[in-house]
Amino acid sequence: GIQVEQSPPDLILQEGANSTLRCNFSDSVNNLQWFHQNPWGQLINLFYIPSGTKQNGRLSATTVATERYSLLYISSSQTTDSGVYFCAAAKGVDSNYQLIWGAGTKLIIKP
Amino acid sequence: KAGVTQTPRYLIKTRGQQVTLSCSPISGHRSVSWYQQTPGQGLQFLFEYFSETQRNKGNFPGRFSGRQFSNSRSEMNVSTLELGDSALYLCASSLVPQTINTEAFFGQGTRLTVV
Repeated sequence: GIQVEQSPPDLILQEGANSTLRCNFSDSVNNLQWFHQNPWGQLINLFYIPSGTKQNGRLSATTVATERYSLLYISSSQTTDSGVYFCAAAKGVDSNYQLIWGAGTKLIIKP
Repeated sequence: KAGVTQTPRYLIKTRGQQVTLSCSPISGHRSVSWYQQTPGQGLQFLFEYFSETQRNKGNFPGRFSGRQFSNSRSEMNVSTLELGDSALYLCASSLVPQTINTEAFFGQGTRLTVV
């Protein structure tokens, strides 16, 4: 089945720094999503991005489907950005639909 | 409007017991999906219910079961608990069945510890 790999596994940055998180997937996918899980366990959708680039405030994401990777950029990091960032690849349709999750990147922003 | 509500938030059970977790989706949402999150295996899909019918199922043993009620609330049951069932169980709700463009909203999870 499809494999989703994220790097780096851990990232510690000072407040104000910029960061780039990477997600590689082993097969073509219908969609690629980025999520943020806060320290309390809440998962929040960040982007649906099968291809191209999207921006939302200090966050942006780029997916290059032909090369099977996606990048999440966080600029001017804040302590509230801490948590685990997951990418998930969507495959199949209807009852065959699956979300395959990466192992996540744990981000710690120090004040 | 209220988000996805999972109860209880924390649970401690003994090996061999059974447990039932509850998920109330966002009002109007008819699809509920369940995930297991462990440090070793990450997030894994358990099953999805839509309009009281199981629509999709992950690769978990039959000890894991679920159901959905007419008000879209869903319960997940795990029988004969094992230590390896200790995990954060997350549910996600969406208006329609999960497809490539469906936005799902997650609850805060139930953290189950099996001792």
